[in-house]
Amino acid sequence: GGIITQTPKFLIGQEGQKLTLKCQQNFNHDTMYWYRQDSGKGLRLIYYSITENDLQKGDLSEGYDASREKKSSFSLTVTSAQKNEMAVFLCASSPGTGGYEQYFGPGTRLTVL
Amino acid sequence: QQKVQQSPESLTVSEGAMASLNCTFSDGTSNNFRWYRQHSAKGLEVLVSIFSDGEKEEGRFTAHLNRANLHVSLHIREPQPSDSAVYLCAVSGIASSSFSKLVFGQGTSLSVVP
Repeated sequence: GGIITQTPKFLIGQEGQKLTLKCQQNFNHDTMYWYRQDSGKGLRLIYYSITENDLQKGDLSEGYDASREKKSSFSLTVTSAQKNEMAVFLCASSPGTGGYEQYFGPGTRLTVL
Repeated sequence: QQKVQQSPESLTVSEGAMASLNCTFSDGTSNNFRWYRQHSAKGLEVLVSIFSDGEKEEGRFTAHLNRANLHVSLHIREPQPSDSAVYLCAVSGIASSSFSKLVFGQGTSLSVVP
């Protein structure tokens, strides 16, 4: 088995601040994902990466940057935090993109003051 | 664009009674359906994956897929208080896309009372 670790667990920032969320996986999976979960809503895809150094935009990429410098890690940056950014950010990984099972981390809860 | 809707929004059942959750989707070419459970402040745990019409059982959890009716359901047999969580339906695998993106419903909050 493997595990996905997300840091930090809670992130508090100021409006306008640049904030970075980190994700590590030891499954040796090729594909990694970042999702945003707002209260009462399902998960929405922000970015995904098919392999190391690859980046693909999801449905909600505006206002975010991502980085996949190593196969095992995937970072997400909120470029300028807004009050309506408050949400839980979930990282996931899968062996590939063809309908494989996705394994999720515990999430980072973002609060913008 | 794929739309996934879950009902009910919240559900309370007594311990031991059957719990039934519903999910409708808009793209009939979808071929990959999953039910996830999310306990408070934790990640998602996959319960059942189903890829063809009919039923798929995993322990106390049974998914039933009817693609003609654009409907997939989850039935939880003998629910326990520890099953209290948010349940998410996710659909992927539409014919028009090479990337099998998961599209999630908004979730059903289940409470199991003793």
